[in-house]
Amino acid sequence: EVQLLESGGGLVQPGGSLRLSCAASGFTFRSFTNYAMSWVRQAPGKGLEWVSGISGSGSKIHYADSVKGRFTISRDNSKNTLYLQMNSLRAEDTAVYYCANGPGHDYWGQGTLVTVSS
Amino acid sequence: EIVLTQSPVILSSAPGERATLSCRASQSVSSTYLAWYQQKAGQAPRLLMYSASSRAAGVPDRFSGSGSGTDFTLTISRLEPEDFAVYYCQQYGGSPPFTFGPGTKVDIK
Repeated sequence: EVQLLESGGGLVQPGGSLRLSCAASGFTFRSFTNYAMSWVRQAPGKGLEWVSGISGSGSKIHYADSVKGRFTISRDNSKNTLYLQMNSLRAEDTAVYYCANGPGHDYWGQGTLVTVSS
Repeated sequence: EIVLTQSPVILSSAPGERATLSCRASQSVSSTYLAWYQQKAGQAPRLLMYSASSRAAGVPDRFSGSGSGTDFTLTISRLEPEDFAVYYCQQYGGSPPFTFGPGTKVDIK
């Protein structure tokens, strides 16, 4: 069974940085390298927002306009781990951050809460 | 960027009733790249449908999806108590961003 486990969330001041990690396990028929991965966030009481995606090899990367230039997605396929480096954080970045495979997300982590506040 | 609009915002229905949820795109979306998700309070979203009309693993057959171009529909034939949740559509064809709709909340009448 595929499992995705996010970590790294917490309280950070505006302008600060955080690095989220997503550890993947249970890929049996296809390795982690074969899966594109994404970060999706959900602000408190709001809907889902796709944030960033990366191809299986890491060669193709995309961002939502709202985070472009501030967030960096990466992956370490030797560790089955996805990352999201978040810099210059703003109050509006406060959200639960989910990692998920795809797009077309059939596997999701449980989410990690990022709170940007002074 | 493709903008998705969902209607209604809130659907109040009773168990056993049929529920029809709409997702409309600002430009044509390949049905291959249209998904529906269910999210319950405090939980991660769950994939229900992909390619507009294919049920994800373990999804009951009371859920069905249809549509093409700019208009897509998720139908729940007979609402069960566990179906009261928020439903999101997402398009992931073409160039990113892979946008979600704002969601439809199905609550108990």
